[in-house]
Amino acid sequence: AQTVTQSQPEMSVQEAETVTLSCTYDTSESDYYLFWYKQPPSRQMILVIRQEAYKQQNATENRFSVNFQKAAKSFSLKISDSQLGDAAMYFCAYRSAATGANSKLTFGKGITLSVRP
Amino acid sequence: GAVVSQHPSRVICKSGTSVKIECRSLDFQATTMFWYRQFPKQSLMLMATSNEGSKATYEQGVEKDKFLINHASLTLSTLTVTSAHPEDSSFYICSAIPYKYEQYFGPGTRLTVT
Repeated sequence: AQTVTQSQPEMSVQEAETVTLSCTYDTSESDYYLFWYKQPPSRQMILVIRQEAYKQQNATENRFSVNFQKAAKSFSLKISDSQLGDAAMYFCAYRSAATGANSKLTFGKGITLSVRP
Repeated sequence: GAVVSQHPSRVICKSGTSVKIECRSLDFQATTMFWYRQFPKQSLMLMATSNEGSKATYEQGVEKDKFLINHASLTLSTLTVTSAHPEDSSFYICSAIPYKYEQYFGPGTRLTVT
């Protein structure tokens, strides 16, 4: 079974600074997807970024980028130019590339990010 | 696109009664939907996978007789909490997959059982 580990429960960053959120995972599969989801105080889950395991290039979405190290099974999220609206709980998630019953997500425990003005 | 709605957003019910939560995909068809439960400051716990036209697949430890799931159409799945008790109070979230690898989530339903 796959596992996703987010070992830091909380982090804080100064507005306009850069912060990196860590995530490691364990799997025996070679083809899979990794995600970072954001859950603000409204509790609406929002997809931040997606990475396909077969792609060596790290995914980037505006101020958000990942450092995907497949051999190390590491998938960290970097937030540049942090904004007050980035304050939220962030979840790292894994999904097998197989369809059917394997399409469910495995979530990490999440990390609460606060942004200091 | 890819909007998932839930209704109601909040519900309060008395112990022993049943409550139904609806999850709809508004602009796409979803053969598979998922139901999660989340406690404050914790991660999402998958309860079951809802498949259109067939029985739901429940995760280990989830009581299928208490949490009834019906996926009656390609745009609607319902979760019914039967004979609710205070320990069933939680935040329930559904999700659906419009594309092959991304789950989109509903806004959640806060259930309080008194």
